[in-house]
Amino acid sequence: KAGVTQTPRYLIKTRGQQVTLSCSPISGHRSVSWYQQTPGQGLQFLFEYFSETQRNKGNFPGRFSGRQFSNSRSEMNVSTLELGDSALYLCASSLDGPTDTQYFGPGTRLTVL
Amino acid sequence: AQKITQTQPGMFVQEKEAVTLDCTYDTSDPSYGLFWYKQPSSGEMIFLIYQGSYDQQNATEGRYSLNFQKARKSANLVISASQLGDSAMYFCAMREPGLGQGAQKLVFGQGTRLTINP
Repeated sequence: KAGVTQTPRYLIKTRGQQVTLSCSPISGHRSVSWYQQTPGQGLQFLFEYFSETQRNKGNFPGRFSGRQFSNSRSEMNVSTLELGDSALYLCASSLDGPTDTQYFGPGTRLTVL
Repeated sequence: AQKITQTQPGMFVQEKEAVTLDCTYDTSDPSYGLFWYKQPSSGEMIFLIYQGSYDQQNATEGRYSLNFQKARKSANLVISASQLGDSAMYFCAMREPGLGQGAQKLVFGQGTRLTINP
């Protein structure tokens, strides 16, 4: 079974621009979560989508948004990029049980200049 | 809020030795799940092992085992017979409880960088 895939793997943007990252979950997984990883803040939860609905949200500004499609693929969007948005963005998918494991993709490394 | 603490920023171990990576957690909810992930320099988070709060036995997965001490709120990862390929960052994480059935949100520790020396 194919793993979680994320595209693109690397992105370079400038301040003020917006960016869209894509995540395709493991087949059959309906929950998709997004995390931001930076050297200073570590791994932080952004949001989780299930059945096209945002089920949980972390403490990030409204510039960070996401959505999920009917095939469970998910996108996250960051508008008006700031230098501090430079990070590794990780997507994870899981089934929907209380003990189910989240499996992560390779991440998208975003650099904001 | 739930919290995960990993007190070892870095560890250096000789190849073939066993290594224990520490993790303590803080939650008042009786039902929770604990995970360990490995992150090589490539960036991908690789799932290693899971322990549920109601599991009667410590989890094991190949060379990985979890020393779960519920009363002390610790969930240390033990890697037996370490290999050069074990060099990576290791993260302890807890699924934040109380979010509802199936809801997924992981809270991570700061990680431990493990280096295996030949």
